[in-house]
Amino acid sequence: GQQVMQIPQYQHVQEGEDFTTYCNSSTTLSNIQWYKQRPGGHPVFLIQLVKSGEVKKQKRLTFQFGEAKKNSSLHITATQTTDVGTYFCAGRTGANNLFFGTGTRLTVIP
Amino acid sequence: NAGVTQTPKFQVLKTGQSMTLQCAQDMNHNSMYWYRQDPGMGLRLIYYSASEGTTDKGEVPNGYNVSRLNKREFSLRLESAAPSQTSVYFCASSEVVPVYGKLFFGSGTQLSVL
Repeated sequence: GQQVMQIPQYQHVQEGEDFTTYCNSSTTLSNIQWYKQRPGGHPVFLIQLVKSGEVKKQKRLTFQFGEAKKNSSLHITATQTTDVGTYFCAGRTGANNLFFGTGTRLTVIP
Repeated sequence: NAGVTQTPKFQVLKTGQSMTLQCAQDMNHNSMYWYRQDPGMGLRLIYYSASEGTTDKGEVPNGYNVSRLNKREFSLRLESAAPSQTSVYFCASSEVVPVYGKLFFGSGTQLSVL
């Protein structure tokens, strides 16, 4: 069953507002990855976090991995219309499988 | 490079029909995967192949079979399609050395079973 929960399921923001999506696992993760899927497209890798408490930035995107390695977040500052899409976290528990979260669909209103 | 190529892009089947989804990657990756994506369910792993010659079940393997034909190709077969298998199917590949890497996805197959 689903091991990685992600909230919110949907988020509508005005262009320029910030956006955050959260990912929680019931078990400790060895690492977590984030993907973006544009409408009608396929998931595209954004980043991987491995260390407890790790924070990584990609321009306006900030990714965090919790101290207990059970949760993660993606924060987008000053959203733009190009940020539209569904953001997925995917946690690995040490085996080969990645367990994907249910995703957060972001809509940016111009 | 083409990356991960999936065929077909769209398919409509009648209940009970069979079909094979094809996937090929040109990145020399060892691991390949088949996922299905349903609204509100995220991506769920059907089967994976950690390396050429091996295949293993994922979260939702029932009703599917796979074949790792060689290092490049990994096919997914529906022997007797059911309406519950209506979904978008994605093939993916990754490298696993030195650590499990990022997934590269194909463009997907939209399958409808009537």
